[in-house]
Amino acid sequence: EAQVTQNPRYLITVTGKKLTVTCSQNMNHEYMSWYRQDPGLGLRQIYYSMNVEVTDKGDVPEGYKVSRKEKRNFPLILESPSPNQTSLYFCATSVGGDRDYEQYFGPGTRLTVT
Amino acid sequence: SQQGEEDPQALSIQEGENATMNCSYKTSINNLQWYRQNSGRGLVHLILIRSNEREKHSGRLRVTLDTSKKSSSLLITASRAADTASYFCATTGNQFYFGTGTSLTVIP
Repeated sequence: EAQVTQNPRYLITVTGKKLTVTCSQNMNHEYMSWYRQDPGLGLRQIYYSMNVEVTDKGDVPEGYKVSRKEKRNFPLILESPSPNQTSLYFCATSVGGDRDYEQYFGPGTRLTVT
Repeated sequence: SQQGEEDPQALSIQEGENATMNCSYKTSINNLQWYRQNSGRGLVHLILIRSNEREKHSGRLRVTLDTSKKSSSLLITASRAADTASYFCATTGNQFYFGTGTSLTVIP
């Protein structure tokens, strides 16, 4: 079954404690992306990756890091989380890197930073 | 920001009625996509319309695109309670830009 998985699904942490949210896909997609969703602001793109070892900043990259060492995985790293990073995070993937394809979304990770 | 905006922000209709929601965006696009999100879940792709297309149909969905006005509309005909969700438009230029969404409630 084609899937985008995210872990953990829920996370409560404290300010400054480094964390990683994993994203994995089994569809051999080239394009992967991270979004955050906040009330009234819709989805905003954090980082995206066109292929292995190729990553680019989205609209709101500050405070986040990503890596793409393998095609299937695209982890999101918060080196020093702050309360303003409390949000609902989605990983998404797409067949091609030219963005003319639909995106497949993971189930989301709800992060609370206290 | 290149982010699109949906209108209205919220819409409540009776089952069987049609629902129309609109999306406006700011810059030139390659294509425009519509997604649905059930509460707190991941988005699901509904339909993609390319910049050289004006109208597209998929089942009970009808999407129009007016690039001169930088706007698109999504029409859901004969709505059902199961259509209750938030609907987002997404434009693609160099990145994906999602709008703020329309929350649709279909009352049985």
